[in-house]
Amino acid sequence: NAGVTQTPKFRVLKTGQSMTLLCAQDMNHEYMYWYRQDPGMGLRLIHYSVGEGTTAKGEVPDGYNVSRLKKQNFLLGLESAAPSQTSVYFCASSYEEWTEAFFGQGTRLTVV
Amino acid sequence: DAKTTQPNSMESNEEEPVHLPCNHSTISGTDYIHWYRQLPSQGPEYVIHGLTSNVNNRMASLAIAEDRKSSTLILHRATLRDAAVYYCILKRSNDYKLSFGAGTTVTVRA
Repeated sequence: NAGVTQTPKFRVLKTGQSMTLLCAQDMNHEYMYWYRQDPGMGLRLIHYSVGEGTTAKGEVPDGYNVSRLKKQNFLLGLESAAPSQTSVYFCASSYEEWTEAFFGQGTRLTVV
Repeated sequence: DAKTTQPNSMESNEEEPVHLPCNHSTISGTDYIHWYRQLPSQGPEYVIHGLTSNVNNRMASLAIAEDRKSSTLILHRATLRDAAVYYCILKRSNDYKLSFGAGTTVTVRA
């Protein structure tokens, strides 16, 4: 099992550019999450999904959009990147909301 | 959200036990105590969780105080691979997010 796979692992964007981060899980999990982690801080929830075709806002959703067209994939979009979105992004999935979450290796995004 | 308090850092020698404390004096009856760890340049990794009773698994043990206002994660024999940031998180069963604080940075000396 690959678990949770994030693509790409690194990316540099110019201010105003757009991009999509892909998260794929092969564990048939219903729940998927996008977090961001800034230097020296814990992770903060951006958006999450409780099943195929559903999405919901987390703690810091502004500037991001998400889609869950297929159960195994959860996409995070930045429509117009800003330097404040420079961060490490982690995707996670879980079978239920109370069960353990499995995290990907992260995507390091720099917006210049 | 109920808050947790952890020491900023702890040091241990290899093959010795590590006891990581966590205070959560405002815990509610429906809050589970979760522990995750994050190795350098990796995503967080689940360690253990519990509600009221002590829990053991292959990675660690979780000791929960009788009043549930504090808990301790126990790594029985630290290895160099256990050097990581350890997060103590309170999570209600119907809450989707994991609220990560600053955690405890554990250093293991060879």
